[in-house]
Amino acid sequence: KAGVTQTPRYLIKTRGQQVTLSCSPISGHRSVSWYQQTPGQGLQFLFEYFSETQRNKGNFPGRFSGRQFSNSRSEMNVSTLELGDSALYLCASSSATGDGYTFGSGTRLTVV
Amino acid sequence: GEDVEQSLFLSVREGDSSVINCTYTDSSSTYLYWYKQEPGAGLQLLTYIFSNMDMKQDQRLTVLLNKKDKHLSLRIADTQTGDSAIYFCAETPGVQRALTFGSGTRLQVQP
Repeated sequence: KAGVTQTPRYLIKTRGQQVTLSCSPISGHRSVSWYQQTPGQGLQFLFEYFSETQRNKGNFPGRFSGRQFSNSRSEMNVSTLELGDSALYLCASSSATGDGYTFGSGTRLTVV
Repeated sequence: GEDVEQSLFLSVREGDSSVINCTYTDSSSTYLYWYKQEPGAGLQLLTYIFSNMDMKQDQRLTVLLNKKDKHLSLRIADTQTGDSAIYFCAETPGVQRALTFGSGTRLQVQP
């Protein structure tokens, strides 16, 4: 069974640009969540999608957005990048049973 | 809001047992998880426990939950050098709700 796939693995962007990250969940998982990991703030929840609808949202500015497609694949977008957006962005998928969230390897974004 | 706390660092000798502790504040926490993160990698789910359980054992891993004190621990028996990593405790009040993570405990295993 394939795991959660995130692309790309690494990205370098310039301040002011925008970026799109992609996540393919485990087959059959309809919930996809996104987390930001930084040394200073740790792991913080961005948002969660289920059946193409955003169900939960963390405390991030509107520059952070996402969407989910009918095949459960998800993308997140960050516009007008700031230096502080440099982080490891992790995607997780889950089934409806509460037996855990499976994370991808992450996309490491560096903003210069 | 919810808060999850962990000690930052633990050092043990190979072959010893490791105990990583976690406390949480949200009394509605229903699902509690332990994740492992190795350098440059994502999060690997190690084990989880539901709030109606006191203990769960899975091979070398034992999870203990004291719901009254809101304390969770992960015991790793016969710790190996490959267990060196950062361990995160996480909680959520419900299925498919957001996870709240602790800051992680760095486990160093000395040969």
